[in-house]
Amino acid sequence: AQSVSQHNHHVILSEAASLELGCNYSYGGTVNLFWYVQYPGQHLQLLLKYFSGDPLVKGIKGFEAEFIKSKFSFNLRKPSVQWSDTAEYFCAVNGVTGGGNKLTFGTGTQLKVEL
Amino acid sequence: GAGVSQSPRYKVTKRGQDVALRCDPISGHVSLYWYRQALGQGPEFLTYFNYEAQQDKSGLPNDRFSAERPEGSISTLTIQRTEQRDSAMYRCASSRAGLALEQYFGPGTRLTVT
Repeated sequence: AQSVSQHNHHVILSEAASLELGCNYSYGGTVNLFWYVQYPGQHLQLLLKYFSGDPLVKGIKGFEAEFIKSKFSFNLRKPSVQWSDTAEYFCAVNGVTGGGNKLTFGTGTQLKVEL
Repeated sequence: GAGVSQSPRYKVTKRGQDVALRCDPISGHVSLYWYRQALGQGPEFLTYFNYEAQQDKSGLPNDRFSAERPEGSISTLTIQRTEQRDSAMYRCASSRAGLALEQYFGPGTRLTVT
């Protein structure tokens, strides 16, 4: 079975601070990895995805994530956050073998960016 | 274009009643997914369809839950004899052929069972 851990449940940062949100997954085989974001009052939106190739992937709004296979991690980063990045962030994994098309999500990290 | 839509957006029902939640995917999307999200948790997979065929229903918690997508477009998730523990946000997502893992989510239906 696949599972995802997001260790930071709530993060508060000042504008222009750097962001790193942790995500670790548990799955024995090849994985596809995702970060989704939910801004206040909006739908879940895909932020970025990793399927294969370059382990450093770039998404929308200046976000990036790095897949480190040896650490089973896919941490989300942004060099300088903005107030508009206040949202809930979810990491998700899909196991290539046996995972079908379902995504397994972590519990989410609530990010608050203060002015 | 229009995104995934779900109705109702909010549903309050009494324990023991049946509820039907509707999902209208993005036009042309062949795959449709149902997830449930309890407060403070991430979305949890329930079931998914390719066209009208239910491919995986391993996440449905028990036989009170069922889903259908008879014409390969709109889907209905039905919960019979609701219980308080069924209270959650029910999320629907859809994806295009060949890009099954790029799932676009709807606004969700907030179900409260009293």
